[in-house]
Amino acid sequence: DVKVTQSSRYLVKRTGEKVFLECVQDMDHENMFWYRQDPGLGLRLIYFSYDVKMKEKGDIPEGYSVSREKKERFSLILESASTNQTSMYLCASSTPGTSGSPYFGPGTRLTVT
Amino acid sequence: DAKTTQPPSMDCAEGRAANLPCNHSTISGNEYVYWYRQIHSQGPQYIIHGLKNNETNEMASLIITEDRKSSTLILPHATLRDTAVYYCTTWKTSYDKVIFGPGTSLSVIP
Repeated sequence: DVKVTQSSRYLVKRTGEKVFLECVQDMDHENMFWYRQDPGLGLRLIYFSYDVKMKEKGDIPEGYSVSREKKERFSLILESASTNQTSMYLCASSTPGTSGSPYFGPGTRLTVT
Repeated sequence: DAKTTQPPSMDCAEGRAANLPCNHSTISGNEYVYWYRQIHSQGPQYIIHGLKNNETNEMASLIITEDRKSSTLILPHATLRDTAVYYCTTWKTSYDKVIFGPGTSLSVIP
């Protein structure tokens, strides 16, 4: 059974803290994605990666950075968490092309207080 | 990537077919249409995809118009467990970035 796992389902952090969200996939997928989901706004792409050590900005990269040191792991970093980063964060992975539809993880609901 | 538009919400009686429309009028020739659904507090789940021809799998059917400017996802016998938000999205074979809009919130009513 294919899996995309995320390190936490729920996370509470304080303003100004550095936050790491981890995502691991076991499907040997080249592509990995980080989205955030907010009510009424759908899923918005933060960053994505085509390969190890490669990254591309999505639509809302401000306030975030990413790291992909190994093929199976894609980390999202909030350098200094702010309350407007309270959201549901979803990780996904896929193979290039249409045969590999993205698989999503269960999501991490982050609350920044 | 093509922009997609969907109705924000729909109701469907349990046991009846649910027909969810999607407009993708600016779709280009090599873009596929994909459908996902998201049940509350879970990650989106892949349902079906297609390019030109109608497609069917164990979950649903996908009808794409001849001009490819719109499509319809059909859940043939909706159950209460089909209550979810359904997303229609498109992307090209040469691109791997997936864009989602707000989707359609489907409520299956007993």
